[in-house]
Amino acid sequence: DTGVSQDPRHKITKRGQNVTFRCDPISEHNRLYWYRQTLGQGPEFLTYFQNEAQLEKSRLLSDRFSAERPKGSFSTLEIQRTEQGDSAMYLCASSFGLAVADTQYFGPGTRLTVL
Amino acid sequence: AQRVTQPEKLLSVFKGAPVELKCNYSYSGSPELFWYVQYSRQRLQLLLRHISRESIKGFTADLNKGETSFHLKKPFAQEEDSAMYYCALSGSRDDKIIFGKGTRLHILP
Repeated sequence: DTGVSQDPRHKITKRGQNVTFRCDPISEHNRLYWYRQTLGQGPEFLTYFQNEAQLEKSRLLSDRFSAERPKGSFSTLEIQRTEQGDSAMYLCASSFGLAVADTQYFGPGTRLTVL
Repeated sequence: AQRVTQPEKLLSVFKGAPVELKCNYSYSGSPELFWYVQYSRQRLQLLLRHISRESIKGFTADLNKGETSFHLKKPFAQEEDSAMYYCALSGSRDDKIIFGKGTRLHILP
């Protein structure tokens, strides 16, 4: 197992386009988290899944954002009608257990640039 | 409101000198505190957490509830300690981690 993977690593898109990112967690990790990180900031929580259930969403996650984890394995994060303010690094993390304090293992991130 | 404050954006320390990265938090309740680290071109990873009371790579951090602080310390800096360090907290009833803005530690030769 090579750890958490994310695809693509970089995405450049024009304002108004839709984009989708994928995260493959470490096998058998039941929790999967999405974060957004902008320049000069720490990661900001967006949402998380326990198995296939999305249990919490941040207020940062506007109605243009949607995340899924259909079979409790990989997850996708879709942004519709992208805006320049969506430009950021999108990080995925996974963990095994039932507590947020369980060690989260991060992926390399997807850097989104909206022109 | 839950908040993590790292007052220093950049900290430069000579090799062999002591290191202290400051972290203050705001949380009404009993938080769990963490330090995460990101080395150049590597992923964000957990360095240590206060409940483990462990020393990782020579780093320690003590939770001071009176001062609401969780400073990261190392007695003798090494060049390989150069990285971005994030302090973070989660609450006992929360399912999310709140990160500070990070401090870049630069170890001078």
